Amino acid sequence: EDQVTQSPEALRLQEGESSSLNCSYTVSGLRGLFWYRQDPGKGPEFLFTLYSAGEEKEKERLKATLTKKESFLHITAPKPEDSATYLCAVQAPGGYNKLIFGAGTRLAVHP
Amino acid sequence: NAGVTQTPKFRILKIGQSMTLQCAQDMNHNYMYWYRQDPGMGLKLIYYSVGAGITDKGEVPNGYNVSRSTTEYFPLRLELAAPSQTSVYFCASRGQDNSPLHFGNGTRLTVT
Repeated sequence: EDQVTQSPEALRLQEGESSSLNCSYTVSGLRGLFWYRQDPGKGPEFLFTLYSAGEEKEKERLKATLTKKESFLHITAPKPEDSATYLCAVQAPGGYNKLIFGAGTRLAVHP
Repeated sequence: NAGVTQTPKFRILKIGQSMTLQCAQDMNHNYMYWYRQDPGMGLKLIYYSVGAGITDKGEVPNGYNVSRSTTEYFPLRLELAAPSQTSVYFCASRGQDNSPLHFGNGTRLTVT
């Protein structure tokens, strides 16, 4: 069964303390892996798409990487404004409805 | 360019009432989706559409209906609301079947 698991469920960091969020997936024939940021009371906002193992994307303090079984979202020297829930989603083969979301990681960055 | 717009932002329904959640997008996207988000769970697909006049069920369609008469609008209808439908509902769209989704800001629905 296609599945996406994110860990940890919640993460508390001090400002400047780098860390990584994990998204592991069991999907055959990955067609894309998406990272989103979600602020309270808002819809998810697109961050990155990764299509093949070894691919990396960067945006400010965030860097996303992809292997054949998992993706990492690395946060370097985070700031309080990076606090949000980070969602991972995997596009599987088989149709327009085959986008599977993980439950997310709630990140809190304290000054 | 407003993106995806959802109304209302909040709604409280009594058991057995009906309502329509509105969704509009101005990006000329063919693909539109309705998701629900419950605490501790990933987004679950309710219904989706690949173009005007074409809709199909997602993972959790029971208790809901949709229509897509134009490219821009994709309303979600709840008939006979039940407490299990208390959730946050997100509408999303995308231009191609493998491109990122653009989400609205959601409708928080409580059924009591």
